[in-house]
Amino acid sequence: QVQLVQSGPEVKKPGSSVKVSCKASGGIFSRFSITWVRQAPGQGLEWMGGTLPRVEAVKYTLKLRDRVTVSIDKSTNTAYLDLDSLTSDDTAVYYCATAEHLDGVFDHWGQGTLVTVAS
Amino acid sequence: EIVLTQSPATLSLSPGETATLSCRANQSVSSSLVWYQQKLGQAPRLLIFDASNRATGIPARFSGSGSGTDFTLTISSLEPEDFAVYYCQQRTHWPLTFGGGTKVEFK
Repeated sequence: QVQLVQSGPEVKKPGSSVKVSCKASGGIFSRFSITWVRQAPGQGLEWMGGTLPRVEAVKYTLKLRDRVTVSIDKSTNTAYLDLDSLTSDDTAVYYCATAEHLDGVFDHWGQGTLVTVAS
Repeated sequence: EIVLTQSPATLSLSPGETATLSCRANQSVSSSLVWYQQKLGQAPRLLIFDASNRATGIPARFSGSGSGTDFTLTISSLEPEDFAVYYCQQRTHWPLTFGGGTKVEFK
């Protein structure tokens, strides 16, 4: 059973950066895509970016493309989300998720990481 | 990017009733439409993939239909644990996008 365990909550100042981690059971990231989704308080789900291991590509939403980086450390089975130039609009719960069977069908999710941006 | 519009925003129903949720895309996504359930304070849970296929362990009262631009999630005979927010997501075009969600609440 795939399990994704995310890092703990973060409080950041505006203009700073945050790095959220997502550790997986087993070496799944070389086979399964990993994606990051965020949810602002009381709002819906927003897809941020993710990997396509079969073509060794990473895709991002246009809105965040200049500030977000998704990376993977295969040696530790850990995926990372880096988000720069934080503003209060980035306050959200950040989820990692993986698609075990079909690209774009996210059947395993992390528990979520709350990132709060406040001065 | 593909815009997914879910309606209604809120559905007020009683246990035992049938919930019909809509997801409409602004251009065709073929059958590559996914439904998730999210309860308060929890991560989303995969329900339906490729419009009509139930994920592992999902009860038969959940069913999906549609193709192209119009999709429906039907929950027959609502159970108390079904009161939650439901999101659709398309996986045809990058960037991937989610709908705004439909909240199924107790009437």
